[in-house]
Amino acid sequence: GAVVSQHPSWVICKSGTSVKIECRSLDFQATTMFWYRQFPKQSLMLMATSNEGSKATYEQGVEKDKFLINHASLTLSTLTVTSAHPEDSSFYICSARRPGRDTGELFFGEGSRLTVL
Amino acid sequence: GQQLNQSPQSMFIQEGEDVSMNCTSSSIFNTWLWYKQDPGEGPVLLIALYKAGELTSNGRLTAQFGITRKDSFLNISASIPSDVGIYFCAGQLPSNTGKLIFGQGTTLQVKP
Repeated sequence: GAVVSQHPSWVICKSGTSVKIECRSLDFQATTMFWYRQFPKQSLMLMATSNEGSKATYEQGVEKDKFLINHASLTLSTLTVTSAHPEDSSFYICSARRPGRDTGELFFGEGSRLTVL
Repeated sequence: GQQLNQSPQSMFIQEGEDVSMNCTSSSIFNTWLWYKQDPGEGPVLLIALYKAGELTSNGRLTAQFGITRKDSFLNISASIPSDVGIYFCAGQLPSNTGKLIFGQGTTLQVKP
C-alpha cells in the first residue's frame, strides 16, 4: 500500500525558533498533500492543502505566514512553523493522495509532535 | 462549516463483544472513510466506501455507506485487545477537492 513518511517524529524547540517538518510520499508521486493539526483528545483539523509547484491553500483561521508550506517536488512537502510559541505545540500530520485518484482516499504519515518550551 | 457527528464518543467493552459506531452529517458526501489512530501515530485507513448503500468488510470490520449519503457506520465483531484506539470517520464532499472532514472520534477500550 501507499506509504507516507514524516520527519521528525517529535521535536522540542525554544519559543521564537522555527521548526521544519517534512512529509514524503515513498511509493507514489503526490501532486497534492494535506497538513492537519491535532490537539490532545481532539479530531484532526485541516490546516492547508499543499500543491506541487504552486502556493498552498490555507483553511480559514490558519496564518499562512506562521505556517509556511512548500511543495517543491512530487514526493516532498514541508511545513515550517515560524517563530514558534507554546500554543503551537501540537501533533502535526500530513496526508497524500495518488494523482488521478478521485476517491478522496488519503494516506497519512506517522505524525510529528511539536513541543515548544 | 460542514460537520460530522460521530458517536459514541467512547466505549469500554469486554473482549469478544461486538462494537458499533456511526457518523452522521447534514451534508451529502461522495466518499466515506474509516480510520484508526493509535496513540502518537497517524491515522491508518481501515475501510473506504464510494457508493451509497455500499457495504464493505475488512476482516472483522464492516462498514456501510448510508443510502442518503449522509451517514455511515462501522462495526467491529469479536473485539480483541489490539482493537483499542481512536476510530475516526471522514467524509469527502462532492466538490472533490480531496479534502476530508473528520468526525470527533470514538475511543475504544477493550478489557481482556
